[in-house]
Amino acid sequence: GAVVSQHPSRVICKSGTSVKIECRSLDFQATTMFWYRQFPKQSLMLMATSNEGSKATYEQGVEKDKFLINHASLTLSTLTVTSAHPEDSSFYICSASDTGAGNEQFFGPGTRLTVL
Amino acid sequence: DAKTTQPPSMDCAEGRAANLPCNHSTISGNEYVYWYRQIHSQGPQYIIHGLKNNETNEMASLIITEDRKSSTLILPHATLRDTAVYYCIVRVVGAAGNKLTFGGGTRVLVKP
Repeated sequence: GAVVSQHPSRVICKSGTSVKIECRSLDFQATTMFWYRQFPKQSLMLMATSNEGSKATYEQGVEKDKFLINHASLTLSTLTVTSAHPEDSSFYICSASDTGAGNEQFFGPGTRLTVL
Repeated sequence: DAKTTQPPSMDCAEGRAANLPCNHSTISGNEYVYWYRQIHSQGPQYIIHGLKNNETNEMASLIITEDRKSSTLILPHATLRDTAVYYCIVRVVGAAGNKLTFGGGTRVLVKP
């Protein structure tokens, strides 16, 4: 099956710093990537939809200037959490949509962000 | 996308079949039923999907009622590694960039 990777898998940073998370589709081309956030004991919440070569579409309530998304190629999307604060601590998960039939979504393993 | 309703939790015995129900009474004709699961601290894993016919793969079986208003995911022989949160989602297939909307899911605990 299609493989999506995320890097780093875990990051701890100080409040006020920025953190970049990478999402890569390893064996397929992804025209669309999605970024989700998941707080403890809660479900996944979609943050934004990222299309290669264009601006991301953010869900209501998600600050686009705080969560910068770049989808520069068909295999890489990045999420940068700017000026991170403790309330941004969460599990961030990306998924990539295959350009083939069905536009199925394949999920990465997630990145655990802890802001001190 | 149509909303789904699932029981918040269920236990099942190792080696027995686990039957996970899902209600999707407002499903549209072009929406498929998808099942994903999420093991603790991992990304969601695709299990199976279907439109109106029953489907089976190496992981599970999907039974969809004739009116398509509900479905059941069957794990034929549950193992301890099947302990996870199971999400039932309905979505349109083929629409580029179509979103997946996750509900609360069912937290399944497989007991020895």
